[in-house]
Amino acid sequence: DVKVTQSSRYLVKRTGEKVFLECVQDMDHENMFWYRQDPGLGLRLIYFSYDVKMKEKGDIPEGYSVSREKKERFSLILESASTNQTSMYLCASSLGGGAGRGYTEAFFGQGTRLTVV
Amino acid sequence: DQQVKQNSPSLSVQEGRISILNCDYTNSMFDYFLWYKKYPAEGPTFLISISSIKDKNEDGRFTVFLNKSAKHLSLHIVPSQPGDSAVYFCAATKNTGGFKTIFGAGTRLFVKA
Repeated sequence: DVKVTQSSRYLVKRTGEKVFLECVQDMDHENMFWYRQDPGLGLRLIYFSYDVKMKEKGDIPEGYSVSREKKERFSLILESASTNQTSMYLCASSLGGGAGRGYTEAFFGQGTRLTVV
Repeated sequence: DQQVKQNSPSLSVQEGRISILNCDYTNSMFDYFLWYKKYPAEGPTFLISISSIKDKNEDGRFTVFLNKSAKHLSLHIVPSQPGDSAVYFCAATKNTGGFKTIFGAGTRLFVKA
């Protein structure tokens, strides 16, 4: 059973703090993703990574950075938290798209609800 | 610019009837399309997918239809059950080295008993 674990369910941080959201998957997946979910906007892709130390910007990368030093771990970093980053953050992982391999679905963590005050 | 659009925020259906959820996309380079289901306080879970080379995929009560010329896909649930009440996200993906996946805004389905 695939497991994607996010380090916190709920987090409250102050404006200007540096915030780390951690995500670990146990299925040796190449792809890992960070999304944020906001009412009426659905899931918006912040960053994704298709290999260790590889990353690609999603649709809303501003104010965020990521780190993938090990295959199983993908960290989202808010360099200086702001109130407009209050949101539900979802991490996901999936198998990579190597030659001849079709797409496989993404597995999600339970989410981290971040409140920036 | 939203590449994947779900224009209906909510849908209400009677138990036993058909639920039809719609999704439109703008990028013809997408390779796969997927539907995810999300309950409150949980992460989304995969429901069903379809390759861009097919026009229909069926899995039990769930069928996804793809109309490439119209850049439109739909999810049919027959018969609908109260346990199907959830938010449904349409997603599309393209191979950029990894598989970059873009989600729609979601449609909240209410199935009334």
